Amino acid sequence: NAGVMQNPRHLVRRRGQEARLRCSPMKGHSHVYWYRQLPEEGLKFMVYLQKENIIDESGMPKERFSAEFPKEGPSILRIQQVVRGDSAAYFCASSPLEETQYFGPGTRLLVL
Amino acid sequence: GENVGLHLPTLSVQEGDNSIINCAYSNSASDYFIWYKQESGKGPQFIIDIRSNMDKRQGQRVTVLLNKTVKHLSLQIAATQPGDSAVYFCAGFSGGYQKVTFGIGTKLQVIP
Repeated sequence: NAGVMQNPRHLVRRRGQEARLRCSPMKGHSHVYWYRQLPEEGLKFMVYLQKENIIDESGMPKERFSAEFPKEGPSILRIQQVVRGDSAAYFCASSPLEETQYFGPGTRLLVL
Repeated sequence: GENVGLHLPTLSVQEGDNSIINCAYSNSASDYFIWYKQESGKGPQFIIDIRSNMDKRQGQRVTVLLNKTVKHLSLQIAATQPGDSAVYFCAGFSGGYQKVTFGIGTKLQVIP
């Protein structure tokens, strides 16, 4: 999983601020997935993207959350007007085709 | 299947013993499975995979068994070492693009 890069690794925000989480997939991977993990819980799917396309966002909250994977540059998960309940670890995974997903180290978001 | 926020089941084993971690899946359409290992503060790491046309696959010190009849997966770790201490997740993939369903995970504690 060292090939998938996420930054920042830790992010502290106050309520109402915006959080931007970045994910650079492994070289050659065109599929990106975002997951959220609460302490002592499993990973919950949020969104699946290919370059310039959102394929499945069924796990994304309807408000405040958005994701993109532009033609150039990393995938971005954006959380607007963060609330304390958004505090979690956010993991990105990438895959070359539609199979094995390789995970990044995660971004730990703390909302004060 | 979906975790419901329960405490992670924990398996404690003595160093050198064999470990068996179990996972039940609910989606009978799942045809590809992966075991991931997640150490504290890190992202999930691919360990081993298996397709539904197999019932056993071996790696280095790890073996995955698949019983499609009862929708059950197990991960066997031989000669468990302290470095094996982590949370282990199974993930099922069901065709098309790979929307993953993660199990809640099992925490493996290795007693030196």
